[in-house]
Amino acid sequence: SSELTQDPAVSVALGQTVRITCQGDSLRSYYASWYQQKPGQAPVLVIYGKNNRPSGIPDRFSGSSSGNTASLTITGAQAEDEADYYCNSRDSSGNHLIFGGGTKLTVL
Amino acid sequence: QVQLQESGPGLVKPSQTLSLTCTVSGGSISSGGYYWSWIRQHPGKGLEWIGYIYYSGSTYYNPSLKSRVTISVDTSKNQFSLKLSSVTAADTAVYYCARSPIAAAGTGFDYWGQGTLVTVSS
Repeated sequence: SSELTQDPAVSVALGQTVRITCQGDSLRSYYASWYQQKPGQAPVLVIYGKNNRPSGIPDRFSGSSSGNTASLTITGAQAEDEADYYCNSRDSSGNHLIFGGGTKLTVL
Repeated sequence: QVQLQESGPGLVKPSQTLSLTCTVSGGSISSGGYYWSWIRQHPGKGLEWIGYIYYSGSTYYNPSLKSRVTISVDTSKNQFSLKLSSVTAADTAVYYCARSPIAAAGTGFDYWGQGTLVTVSS
């Protein structure tokens, strides 16, 4: 399969932990990367590789993977974390890139 | 600090060719080590990878767009470009250029342009 599947929407209470998942057969072979996108802005890389955060990304963001599922976890969600989150990886051929459909995170 | 900036017409007529250029500053495309991608986002929708190019000119395209897409690089100007032919209203989107390091252990798009809205309309 050359698709990545995400839940369309997830909510979390302020200060609580939330996990956003991304499913796809290619994730058995390739790592996912994760992006945060706020309205009117370009996406921002928050997690890549096994569990790496670019400089400037808070350590409340973490990534993990098991089988065909990659996860982005936000531990102690803040109001500013409300955004759309996208996963990205390679397709099964390894030559092309694919994005998940995105998850809208609401912080209550 | 690496910066990417898209430029090109914001309005394209149906059946014509969409042409955009991404100018890279703060780093050299010809230094290697990175793929340079085009990504688009239809209004209110998710992200769609269009394709990428290496400084040598090697390209990979999204299979669903491959017949209409050409990505090229001009290392002398530190730019790479997108051409999408035979456009329709379905190609109306914000177009982003982005960089991804080449790494065996997994990577991501670490720098993005601000995006440019291209509308296909007569």
